[in-house]
Amino acid sequence: QVQLVQSGSEVKKPGSSVKVSCKASGGSISNSAITWVRQVPGQGLEWMGRVIPLLGTANYGPKFQGRVTITADRSTSIAYMELSNLRSDDTAVYYCARYANWLDPWGQGTLVTVSS
Amino acid sequence: EIVLTQSPGTLSLSPGERATLSCRASQSIGSSYFAWYQQKPGQAPRLLIFGAATRATGVPDRFSGSGSGADVTLTINRLEPEDFAVYYCQQYFSTPYTFGPGTKLEIK
Repeated sequence: QVQLVQSGSEVKKPGSSVKVSCKASGGSISNSAITWVRQVPGQGLEWMGRVIPLLGTANYGPKFQGRVTITADRSTSIAYMELSNLRSDDTAVYYCARYANWLDPWGQGTLVTVSS
Repeated sequence: EIVLTQSPGTLSLSPGERATLSCRASQSIGSSYFAWYQQKPGQAPRLLIFGAATRATGVPDRFSGSGSGADVTLTINRLEPEDFAVYYCQQYFSTPYTFGPGTKLEIK
């Protein structure tokens, strides 16, 4: 059964970038899409975008377009989400999840704190 | 962008009761394009239902989904203590695949 394991918490300065990884264990992501969702503390879920490793293509939500890059390495079964030009309101837990439509399973989440 | 609204915002019930949670999309998209998730404090969301009515692997049969068009419903029969959590609906008809604001199911 596939599990997704994400990289650890990060503390970043405003204006910098963060890159979060998501590794699949117990299976491969080659034939699946990986989606990234974020959750600001105490708030709901926001769909950021997805990558289809087999095709090497990604698409992004309009709120994040231009600031987010989602990639995947099929050989290592690791997906990445890089968010640039960080602001304080980017402080959130970032989740990866398998599949492009309904999302299952989810990674454990990575807290990214943006603070000067 | 399709906007999802969920009602009620908070639902207070006792174990053993039935919970009915609603989700409405800003346009008709067909019930096949909805999913439901459960999230407990400090945990990642967990998929419960996809295609509006198909239970994910391992989800107890007291959880059921229904609906059509722009409206879907999650029903939880005979509430167990572990069912008290926040529930989100999601549409995957068109990107960005938006989520509803959530319904908090709390113990009365």
